[in-house]
Amino acid sequence: SAVISQKPSRDICQRGTSLTIQCQVDSQVTMMFWYRQQPGQSLTLIATANQGSEATYESGFVIDKFPISRPNLTFSTLTVSNMSPEDSSIYLCSVEGWGGSTYNEQFFGPGTRLTVL
Amino acid sequence: AQSVTQLGSHVSVSEGALVLLRCNYSSSVPPYLFWYVQYPNQGLQLLLKYTSAATLVKGINGFEAEFKKSETSFHLTKPSAHMSDAAEYFCAVKMGRGADGLTFGKGTHLIIQP
Repeated sequence: SAVISQKPSRDICQRGTSLTIQCQVDSQVTMMFWYRQQPGQSLTLIATANQGSEATYESGFVIDKFPISRPNLTFSTLTVSNMSPEDSSIYLCSVEGWGGSTYNEQFFGPGTRLTVL
Repeated sequence: AQSVTQLGSHVSVSEGALVLLRCNYSSSVPPYLFWYVQYPNQGLQLLLKYTSAATLVKGINGFEAEFKKSETSFHLTKPSAHMSDAAEYFCAVKMGRGADGLTFGKGTHLIIQP
């Protein structure tokens, strides 16, 4: 499977600040996604990171709060802006359509554990 | 719209016993279905997937799942539980091929009793 890394692995941030999370893949991938996993909850899709165009956001998520970049086929960033304690979650990136893999098989990064005080 | 329902937020079985984790889905088109496992403080690992080929799908670590269209189900089973199977299990659905993310169920915490 693709090797996916995320930075930082965890962070503790103050209310009102912003944090940018990086997702790096060791090979070119077609699709990249960002998910949120709130404490004790399941995963919720935030957006699809499209290379060369704006991200596509799911209902309840907006670009001003979660700006996303995808400058190339191996890298994406998610920024959590103007953070509040409710943003405390694990943020995960996932990839689909890489190298020799089949489509419709998503692999997940290790996640970034964010705590907002 | 698509959705996933996992029955039972917690399932407890004895070591060596059958594991059965239930997943029902709704989808307006033939779905792709997945089971992921999340060990404590780790990321998600793909256990198995159904993508319209064989209805009985075998995955890693001895797990398998059967797609039953008439019941809109994709239950996960393992004949004999091992202590190392204790983890959170997520069922997920995707509506066909395309630029769609996954819709996850709420997860089932599997507890293995010695």
